[in-house]
Amino acid sequence: NAGVTQTPKFQVLKTGQSMTLQCAQDMNHEYMSWYRQDPGMGLRLIHYSVGAGITDQGEVPNGYNVSRSTTEDFPLRLLSAAPSQTSVYFCASRDRGLVSNGYTFGSGTRLTVV
Amino acid sequence: AQTVTQSQPEMSVQEAETVTLSCTYDTSESDYYLFWYKQPPSRQMILVIRQEAYKQQNATENRFSVNFQKAAKSFSLKISDSQLGDAAMYFCAYRSADDMRFGAGTRLTVKP
Repeated sequence: NAGVTQTPKFQVLKTGQSMTLQCAQDMNHEYMSWYRQDPGMGLRLIHYSVGAGITDQGEVPNGYNVSRSTTEDFPLRLLSAAPSQTSVYFCASRDRGLVSNGYTFGSGTRLTVV
Repeated sequence: AQTVTQSQPEMSVQEAETVTLSCTYDTSESDYYLFWYKQPPSRQMILVIRQEAYKQQNATENRFSVNFQKAAKSFSLKISDSQLGDAAMYFCAYRSADDMRFGAGTRLTVKP
């Protein structure tokens, strides 16, 4: 059981470039979220989805787009990378039915924008 | 929006001793869940313990226990008999119906 798979694990971008961080889960979880982790700030919610075709903004959505065409996949798109987007990104998922559960996390993507 | 505050950026404990990590949160909801996550240097987020707000009894998982004070909106984590493997970042998290919010984290050092 793979759980939550994020790719790539590391990425270096130039300012202005675009890219997509991939996230896939094989647990049939309805809820999926993207977080960024910065020193001293914990994990901040970027976007989340409560099911296929449904997405919503979190605390820090600017500069990022998401879509949820299938239950399994929840990609995060950086439209025009900026140095302020240098961070570690985590994708997470949980089952709608297990309301007391926390999220299952991927292993993270370390992104550096130069 | 809900906010989660961890007021201790760093904590240190002697091996085999007990340490308590603090967490407070702000919410107007009555039904929610609270969690503590551990993040070792591997970067993986590991669920340590959970607490349902409607339960008065404090959750316990082996050496880990919480002190949940709903009226005070406080949710502290106590680690007993600390081990070297407990060294990590610890995040407190608040989960409502649709999303989860995290505190800034506490870095725990365990001294041999």
